[in-house]
Amino acid sequence: EVQLVESGGGLVKPGGSLKVSCKTSGILFKNAWMSWVRQAPGTGLQWVAHIKSQSDGGTTDYAASVKGRFTISRDDSQNTLYLEMSSLKTEDTAVYYCAADHVSFDDLFKKKEAWFDPWGQGTQVTVSS
Amino acid sequence: DIQMTQSPSSLSASIGDRVTIACRASQDINTSLAWYHQHPGKAPKVLLYDTSRLQRGVPTRFSGSGSGTNFSLTITGLQTEDFATYHCQQYYGQPRTFGQGTKVEIK
Repeated sequence: EVQLVESGGGLVKPGGSLKVSCKTSGILFKNAWMSWVRQAPGTGLQWVAHIKSQSDGGTTDYAASVKGRFTISRDDSQNTLYLEMSSLKTEDTAVYYCAADHVSFDDLFKKKEAWFDPWGQGTQVTVSS
Repeated sequence: DIQMTQSPSSLSASIGDRVTIACRASQDINTSLAWYHQHPGKAPKVLLYDTSRLQRGVPTRFSGSGSGTNFSLTITGLQTEDFATYHCQQYYGQPRTFGQGTKVEIK
């Protein structure tokens, strides 16, 4: 059975830091491209960060709103994905989901990330004084 | 960034109804579009990808169409479990972006 289980969310003050985790099972994690997606209260979904597999270079990418403040990482030996968040702002308050990226190919047959499947159940991060 | 706009934001429908949700992209995304549904307090689940391809295990009452900038999701014969919020997502350009969601409620 495929499972992605996030943990580590909580209440943090503006300017503070938090690290959330996503423990996976049932997927070939070391080959997976992974992302974090968040959903602020009453709003739509927003992609936050992405990391490729180590065999594909392990490169990372971030949404402009979190670049320089958030760091995505992975531990393939533990099948676990992380998101370290610093300099947190009230607008970072959201449910944070980890998700596996489905990889497709562009017109030049280069791998590219596509839709998200499967997803974890999410972990709530609240930034408030 | 490519902006995705869904309409309507919400709709009321009855069991057995045919429902259509629209999604418009701010620029041509070919057919690089996925649809998800999300029940309250749960994670989104993908229904269709590449505009019209059904994810394994998704009922055939769900269908998708479109290309370029205009897309739609149709549910033919609404069931109880279909009352949820629906999201479109483009993966043609980076960053990948979502529509704001359409909530399907019971009439």
